[in-house]
Formats: sequence, C-alpha cells, structure tokens
Amino acid sequence: KAGVTQTPRYLIKTRGQQVTLSCSPISGHRSVSWYQQTPGQGLQFLFEYFSETQRNKGNFPGRFSGRQFSNSRSEMNVSTLELGDSALYLCASSLFTSGRASNEQFFGPGTRLTVL
Amino acid sequence: AQKVTQAQTEISVVEKEDVTLDCVYETRDTTYYLFWYKQPPSGELVFLIRRNSFDEQNEISGRYSWNFQKSTSSFNFTITASQVVDSAVYFCALSAEAGTASKLTFGTGTRLQVTL
Repeated sequence: KAGVTQTPRYLIKTRGQQVTLSCSPISGHRSVSWYQQTPGQGLQFLFEYFSETQRNKGNFPGRFSGRQFSNSRSEMNVSTLELGDSALYLCASSLFTSGRASNEQFFGPGTRLTVL
Repeated sequence: AQKVTQAQTEISVVEKEDVTLDCVYETRDTTYYLFWYKQPPSGELVFLIRRNSFDEQNEISGRYSWNFQKSTSSFNFTITASQVVDSAVYFCALSAEAGTASKLTFGTGTRLQVTL
C-alpha cells in the first residue's frame, strides 16, 4: 500500500508570495492533518480535515488555510508568506471511525518550504 | 491544555548500549493517547507506538520497550542493544481531545546518536 505522498518536496518562495502544498493520504484514509515543524517552535498542529470539513484548527493566523477534496486529498495554502513560514510541512493521514479518537497517524515525507 | 516534555535534547551512545528516552506529559483529560515517533534524517515521522490512558501495560517490540506510568505521568522509551540505524530524533506526543483523531501535541524531541 502506498504511503502518504506530499508534493512538492522542496519549495523556495519570496516574502509576500503565496504557496499551495498538496497531500495524498493512504488509500482508504479519510482524515488528513497538517503540521508545521521549525527549529524554534518544533512540531505544531495546523489543522485536520475529514469528509471535506475542517474539524480542528491549531493556533495559526488566517494566512494558513486548507481544504480537502472528495477523494480525501488535501491542500494547504499559505498567503503573504513571511520569513518565519520557512519550515517543514508534514501531512498525516489516518483512518477515522465515528466515536473513536486518536487513531494512528501516518506521516508523509514533508514539504520543505524556504521563504527568502 | 496539554504539554509534553522531553528533557533530554541529545543523547550519544555507543552501539550495543541500552538507552532510555524520557517523556513526561501533562493533561487534565482522563482519556488520552500517547505516541512515540521516530524522525530519521529523511524527515518523515515514523510511527512507533500508541498507548491509551487505560492501558498501563508495558510493551516490548523487539529491541524497543515502553514503560507507561500514570502515577508519574511518564511514558519512557528504551532501546536495547542500540544500533547505528537507531540514530534519529525521537518524539513523544499526546492526544487528549475526545472525538478528534489528531491534534497531537509533540515534545521537543530527543536526538539520539549511536556510534560504532
């Protein structure tokens, strides 16, 4: 079974630009979560999507947004990029069964974003 | 609010030594899940184990073992007879929101260096 895939793997942007990252979950997984990893702040939860709906959101400004498509693939968008947005963005997918919390999450290789 | 503390920033051992990675957590929820992930240089987070708050049984998987103690809010991870391939950053994480499959709160990670 293929794992979680993320594209692109590397990205260089300049301040003020916007960027879209893509995540394809493991087949059959319907929940997708996004995390930001930086040396200073560590791993931080961005948001979670299930059935095309955002179910949970971390403490990030509105410049960070996401969506999920009917095939469970997800995208996240960062507008008006700042230098501090340089990070490894990780996507994770999991099965989700109604009433069951905290299933195992399987992470993709991440997209390394550099903002100049 | 949840918090995960990994006090050991970096550990260096010689191959075949045993090593224990410490994890202390804080949560007010009575139902929660604890995780360990491994992050090799490639960047992908590799799931190692999940425990729920009602299962304090220690677990052994090959050279890996986990010691969960609710009385001290700790979930420590021991690698027996370490190998060079164990070199990575290890993260302890907590999920404590009922009904959500994600929003993991991560510790800051422990970098393990195993040398010959």
